[in-house]
Amino acid sequence: QQQVKQSPQSLIVQKGGISIINCAYENTAFDYFPWYQQFPGKGPALLIAIRPDVSEKKEGRFTISFNKSAKQFSLHIMDSQPGDSATYFCAASILGAGNMLTFGGGTRLMVKP
Amino acid sequence: DTAVSQTPKYLVTQMGNDKSIKCEQNLGHDTMYWYKQDSKKFLKIMFSYNNKELIINETVPNRFSPKSPDKAHLNLHINSLELGDSAVYFCASRGPGPNSPLHFGNGTRLTVT
Repeated sequence: QQQVKQSPQSLIVQKGGISIINCAYENTAFDYFPWYQQFPGKGPALLIAIRPDVSEKKEGRFTISFNKSAKQFSLHIMDSQPGDSATYFCAASILGAGNMLTFGGGTRLMVKP
Repeated sequence: DTAVSQTPKYLVTQMGNDKSIKCEQNLGHDTMYWYKQDSKKFLKIMFSYNNKELIINETVPNRFSPKSPDKAHLNLHINSLELGDSAVYFCASRGPGPNSPLHFGNGTRLTVT
């Protein structure tokens, strides 16, 4: 069963545009929602994360929006750059249960110059 | 210095063989993980391990076994390799605290022929 569903699978954005990736989760016990960025040949690396007690978190050009009632959260990349081209994973976990992350299926982002 | 290192980077072997992937972290973390990334980039937790507890994803075949000689190492042993085991395997570690991020290695690409 896929507890975290991510869309779209792939995304092409022009330089300077906004990239939006969406995730939906099923388990209401999840209480930690990170986004990871993965470049080819590398392991994923934490980009930004949010707890369900806030509806939005911003770090530079990256913003997470969180909707607890809808069980959805999204990543917005403002002013997208070619260097942002990577695969992005949303994830969710229960902090009190070993914090084992359940990942979404990933979104391959390409930012065209 | 690489925080989480895996060896080998590439592993090509035949069906039925037994192989091991080594993982070492120099971050002083107590918890280590193994993830499997399939050809569609889907990341799936296999094991979570600290010096007190091993948590196994119940969908992982018992041909896979983690071995931890000490806190800094978590090796992955795979017996009787099958074609479907071909994937990229990532080791990761995490420090204490509820919001500590996962630190991934750069992966081992296993190809079973």
